[in-house]
Amino acid sequence: AAGVIQSPRHLIKEKRETATLKCYPIPRHDTVYWYQQGPGQDPQFLISFYEKMQSDKGSIPDRFSAQQFSDYHSELNMSSLELGDSALYFCASSLGKAEQYFGPGTRLTVT
Amino acid sequence: GQQVMQIPQYQHVQEGEDFTTYCNSSTTLSNIQWYKQRPGGHPVFLIQLVKSGEVKKQKRLTFQFGEAKKNSSLHITATQTTDVGTYFCAGNTGGFKTIFGAGTRLFVKA
Repeated sequence: AAGVIQSPRHLIKEKRETATLKCYPIPRHDTVYWYQQGPGQDPQFLISFYEKMQSDKGSIPDRFSAQQFSDYHSELNMSSLELGDSALYFCASSLGKAEQYFGPGTRLTVT
Repeated sequence: GQQVMQIPQYQHVQEGEDFTTYCNSSTTLSNIQWYKQRPGGHPVFLIQLVKSGEVKKQKRLTFQFGEAKKNSSLHITATQTTDVGTYFCAGNTGGFKTIFGAGTRLFVKA
Protein backbone atom coordinates (compact mmCIF):
# COMPACT_ATOMS: atom_id res chain seq x y z
CA ALA A 1 0.00 0.00 0.00
CA ALA A 2 1.15 3.53 -0.73
CA GLY A 3 2.61 5.41 2.21
CA VAL A 4 3.44 9.02 2.96
CA ILE A 5 6.54 10.14 1.08
CA GLN A 6 8.89 12.77 2.42
CA SER A 7 11.86 14.32 0.71
CA PRO A 8 14.64 14.77 1.26
CA ARG A 9 15.29 12.16 3.95
CA HIS A 10 18.36 13.99 5.20
CA LEU A 11 19.31 17.64 4.91
CA ILE A 12 22.32 19.55 6.16
CA LYS A 13 22.17 23.32 6.19
CA GLU A 14 24.15 26.14 7.72
CA LYS A 15 22.80 28.76 10.07
CA ARG A 16 20.75 31.46 8.37
CA GLU A 17 20.14 29.31 5.31
CA THR A 18 16.77 28.24 3.95
CA ALA A 19 15.32 24.74 3.67
CA THR A 20 12.28 23.28 1.95
CA LEU A 21 10.79 19.97 3.03
CA LYS A 22 8.28 18.15 0.85
CA CYS A 23 5.48 15.77 1.74
CA TYR A 24 3.36 13.61 -0.54
CA PRO A 25 0.33 12.24 1.33
CA ILE A 26 -1.33 8.89 0.81
CA PRO A 27 -3.58 9.11 -2.28
CA ARG A 28 -7.09 10.40 -1.48
CA HIS A 29 -6.05 11.69 1.95
CA ASP A 30 -7.24 15.27 2.32
CA THR A 31 -5.36 16.30 5.47
CA VAL A 32 -1.66 16.89 6.03
CA TYR A 33 0.10 17.55 9.33
CA TRP A 34 3.65 18.69 10.05
CA TYR A 35 5.48 17.77 13.26
CA GLN A 36 8.91 18.50 14.69
CA GLN A 37 10.54 15.87 16.90
CA GLY A 38 13.73 16.55 18.83
CA PRO A 39 15.92 13.70 20.16
CA GLY A 40 14.09 11.77 22.86
CA GLN A 41 11.08 14.06 22.64
CA ASP A 42 7.50 13.74 21.48
CA PRO A 43 6.33 15.06 18.11
CA GLN A 44 5.39 18.72 18.37
CA PHE A 45 2.48 19.79 16.18
CA LEU A 46 3.46 22.59 13.81
CA ILE A 47 0.62 23.06 11.35
CA SER A 48 -2.10 21.20 9.48
CA PHE A 49 -3.97 21.57 6.22
CA TYR A 50 -7.38 20.25 5.28
CA GLU A 51 -8.44 20.36 1.64
CA LYS A 52 -5.57 22.72 0.82
CA MET A 53 -6.52 25.25 3.50
CA GLN A 54 -4.65 25.77 6.74
CA SER A 55 -6.78 24.12 9.41
CA ASP A 56 -4.79 24.51 12.61
CA LYS A 57 -1.56 26.06 13.78
CA GLY A 58 0.67 24.94 16.59
CA SER A 59 4.12 25.92 17.73
CA ILE A 60 5.41 26.87 14.29
CA PRO A 61 7.99 29.69 14.32
CA ASP A 62 7.29 32.76 12.24
CA ARG A 63 10.40 31.87 10.23
CA PHE A 64 8.57 28.79 8.95
CA SER A 65 5.73 28.70 6.48
CA ALA A 66 3.85 25.89 4.82
CA GLN A 67 1.25 25.29 2.19
CA GLN A 68 -0.69 22.50 0.57
CA PHE A 69 -0.91 22.47 -3.19
CA SER A 70 -3.68 21.51 -5.62
CA ASP A 71 -2.30 17.95 -5.87
CA TYR A 72 -2.42 17.76 -2.03
CA HIS A 73 1.31 17.60 -1.56
CA SER A 74 2.66 19.99 1.05
CA GLU A 75 5.87 21.91 1.56
CA LEU A 76 7.38 23.28 4.75
CA ASN A 77 9.62 26.27 4.13
CA MET A 78 12.12 27.16 6.80
CA SER A 79 14.15 30.36 6.65
CA SER A 80 16.92 31.89 8.77
CA LEU A 81 17.73 28.46 10.13
CA GLU A 82 19.01 28.23 13.69
CA LEU A 83 20.95 25.46 15.42
CA GLY A 84 17.84 24.70 17.46
CA ASP A 85 15.91 23.82 14.31
CA SER A 86 17.91 20.60 14.01
CA ALA A 87 15.35 17.84 14.42
CA LEU A 88 13.31 15.18 12.69
CA TYR A 89 10.42 16.66 10.74
CA PHE A 90 7.49 14.34 10.16
CA CYS A 91 4.63 14.76 7.80
CA ALA A 92 1.46 12.78 8.39
CA SER A 93 -1.69 12.44 6.33
CA SER A 94 -5.22 11.38 7.10
CA LEU A 95 -8.78 11.34 5.85
CA GLY A 96 -10.32 14.19 7.78
CA LYS A 97 -9.59 13.75 11.49
CA ALA A 98 -9.12 9.99 11.33
CA GLU A 99 -5.92 8.14 12.14
CA GLN A 100 -2.73 9.80 10.99
CA TYR A 101 -0.20 7.98 8.84
CA PHE A 102 3.30 9.26 9.33
CA GLY A 103 6.01 9.49 6.72
CA PRO A 104 9.58 8.36 7.38
CA GLY A 105 10.65 11.90 8.31
CA THR A 106 13.30 14.35 7.18
CA ARG A 107 16.31 14.68 9.43
CA LEU A 108 17.46 18.29 9.35
CA THR A 109 20.87 19.19 10.70
CA VAL A 110 21.80 22.85 11.02
CA THR A 111 25.51 23.55 11.47
CA GLY B 1 -2.58 25.82 26.63
CA GLN B 2 -3.67 22.25 26.26
CA GLN B 3 -1.32 19.71 27.78
CA VAL B 4 -1.20 15.94 27.71
CA MET B 5 0.80 14.32 30.48
CA GLN B 6 2.00 10.74 30.09
CA ILE B 7 3.58 8.45 32.66
CA PRO B 8 5.82 6.68 33.25
CA GLN B 9 8.64 8.07 31.12
CA TYR B 10 10.39 4.69 31.02
CA GLN B 11 9.41 1.15 31.92
CA HIS B 12 11.69 -1.87 32.09
CA VAL B 13 9.93 -5.23 32.18
CA GLN B 14 10.84 -8.87 31.95
CA GLU B 15 9.37 -10.63 28.95
CA GLY B 16 5.98 -11.98 29.94
CA GLU B 17 5.23 -9.21 32.43
CA ASP B 18 2.45 -6.72 31.90
CA PHE B 19 2.90 -3.03 31.04
CA THR B 20 0.66 0.01 31.39
CA THR B 21 1.09 3.63 30.33
CA TYR B 22 -1.24 6.42 31.38
CA CYS B 23 -2.24 9.71 29.80
CA ASN B 24 -3.98 12.66 31.37
CA SER B 25 -5.18 15.76 29.55
CA SER B 26 -5.67 19.19 31.06
CA THR B 27 -8.79 19.61 28.92
CA THR B 28 -11.62 17.40 27.73
CA LEU B 29 -10.69 15.59 24.54
CA SER B 30 -12.86 14.82 21.54
CA ASN B 31 -10.72 11.78 20.84
CA ILE B 32 -7.42 10.23 21.76
CA GLN B 33 -5.08 8.27 19.54
CA TRP B 34 -2.25 5.92 20.43
CA TYR B 35 0.94 5.51 18.43
CA LYS B 36 4.01 3.32 18.69
CA GLN B 37 7.43 4.49 17.57
CA ARG B 38 10.36 2.13 17.28
CA PRO B 39 13.88 3.54 17.69
CA GLY B 40 14.85 5.26 14.46
CA GLY B 41 11.33 4.90 13.08
CA HIS B 42 8.23 6.97 12.70
CA PRO B 43 5.05 6.92 14.81
CA VAL B 44 2.67 4.15 13.76
CA PHE B 45 -1.02 4.46 14.50
CA LEU B 46 -2.43 1.86 16.91
CA ILE B 47 -5.97 2.98 17.73
CA GLN B 48 -8.37 5.89 18.15
CA LEU B 49 -10.84 6.20 21.03
CA VAL B 50 -13.80 8.54 20.74
CA LYS B 51 -16.52 7.58 23.21
CA SER B 52 -16.57 8.23 26.94
CA GLY B 53 -15.59 5.05 28.83
CA GLU B 54 -14.63 3.27 25.62
CA VAL B 55 -12.52 0.13 25.85
CA LYS B 56 -10.90 -1.44 22.80
CA LYS B 57 -8.71 -4.51 22.51
CA GLN B 58 -6.14 -5.52 19.94
CA LYS B 59 -4.79 -8.97 20.80
CA ARG B 60 -2.64 -8.34 23.90
CA LEU B 61 -3.25 -4.56 23.91
CA THR B 62 -6.16 -2.98 25.80
CA PHE B 63 -6.98 0.70 25.41
CA GLN B 64 -9.28 2.70 27.66
CA PHE B 65 -10.76 6.18 27.45
CA GLY B 66 -11.93 7.71 30.71
CA GLU B 67 -15.51 8.63 31.49
CA ALA B 68 -14.62 12.32 31.54
CA LYS B 69 -12.65 11.97 28.27
CA LYS B 70 -9.58 13.46 29.95
CA ASN B 71 -7.54 10.34 30.57
CA SER B 72 -6.60 7.17 28.79
CA SER B 73 -4.47 4.10 29.27
CA LEU B 74 -2.76 1.41 27.24
CA HIS B 75 -2.20 -1.97 28.84
CA ILE B 76 -0.08 -4.71 27.28
CA THR B 77 -0.50 -8.22 28.64
CA ALA B 78 2.46 -10.60 28.65
CA THR B 79 4.95 -8.35 26.91
CA GLN B 80 7.17 -9.68 24.13
CA THR B 81 10.49 -8.36 22.84
CA THR B 82 8.64 -7.12 19.76
CA ASP B 83 6.74 -4.68 21.99
CA VAL B 84 9.82 -2.51 22.57
CA GLY B 85 9.49 1.09 21.51
CA THR B 86 7.95 4.33 22.66
CA TYR B 87 4.19 4.52 23.09
CA PHE B 88 2.59 7.92 22.63
CA CYS B 89 -0.91 9.07 23.33
CA ALA B 90 -2.13 12.01 21.25
CA GLY B 91 -5.14 14.12 22.13
CA ASN B 92 -7.44 16.19 20.01
CA THR B 93 -9.97 18.74 21.24
CA GLY B 94 -12.07 18.98 18.10
CA GLY B 95 -9.88 20.68 15.54
CA PHE B 96 -6.93 19.18 13.73
CA LYS B 97 -4.35 20.24 16.31
CA THR B 98 -2.97 17.07 17.88
CA ILE B 99 -1.07 17.20 21.16
CA PHE B 100 1.23 14.28 21.91
CA GLY B 101 2.12 13.08 25.36
CA ALA B 102 5.80 12.79 26.22
CA GLY B 103 5.70 9.07 25.51
CA THR B 104 6.59 5.97 27.52
CA ARG B 105 9.63 4.09 26.39
CA LEU B 106 9.25 0.36 26.94
CA PHE B 107 12.23 -1.92 27.37
CA VAL B 108 11.61 -5.68 27.40
CA LYS B 109 14.27 -8.05 28.69
CA ALA B 110 14.18 -11.57 27.28
